[in-house]
Amino acid sequence: EPEVTQTPSHQVTQMGQEVILRCVPISNHLYFYWYRQILGQKVEFLVSFYNNEISEKSEIFDDQFSVERPDGSNFTLKIRSTKLEDSAMYFCASKKGTGVSSYEQYFGPGTRLTVT
Amino acid sequence: AQKVTQAQTEISVVEKEDVTLDCVYETRDTTYYLFWYKQPPSGELVFLIRRNSFDEQNEISGRYSWNFQKSTSSFNFTITASQVVDSAVYFCALSEWATGFQKLVFGTGTRLLVSP
Repeated sequence: EPEVTQTPSHQVTQMGQEVILRCVPISNHLYFYWYRQILGQKVEFLVSFYNNEISEKSEIFDDQFSVERPDGSNFTLKIRSTKLEDSAMYFCASKKGTGVSSYEQYFGPGTRLTVT
Repeated sequence: AQKVTQAQTEISVVEKEDVTLDCVYETRDTTYYLFWYKQPPSGELVFLIRRNSFDEQNEISGRYSWNFQKSTSSFNFTITASQVVDSAVYFCALSEWATGFQKLVFGTGTRLLVSP
């Protein structure tokens, strides 16, 4: 069964460094998302991406964040200058489309980002 | 404004007990989708069910059942004859037409502990 994959599973970085989190969505899906979950808290929406552009973003997704689909398979989240409070699990998700049975988002296993 | 409330932070049961996880939502939209996701200790988010706002039929899938009631804005999840493998955090989530169904708003989750 196709699944969303994410790399790396765990990333440790120093404050102020740039990180890129990578995702490979399910191949026939058209909509892509990033969410984050600070340890022990709820899952929060960051950004949605469709047709090579951001369709919606949350207030968390400030100028330090950017997303890109550099080729036909990868979807990346870049944090330009990491802060301690960026430490969280980052989930990538994809969705097939807007058809009747296409509203569920399928999540990857997550990347745990630790900023020291 | 959209909001999902899961008032139960943690529930502990003994195997074979039935357990109901509550979810109450707020939305101004008349067209929306509700979801349940499971997050086992390994951390991934597993899609369980989707329900649209026009379909109030209850659903049963094996030991799982869902009760959607628009009159009380609730979408509760019952596990019958719980098993240790059901131990996880369960999230209820909402997606609205007003956002093009582009983001999921999650509740804070209910941690279910099933002991042998």
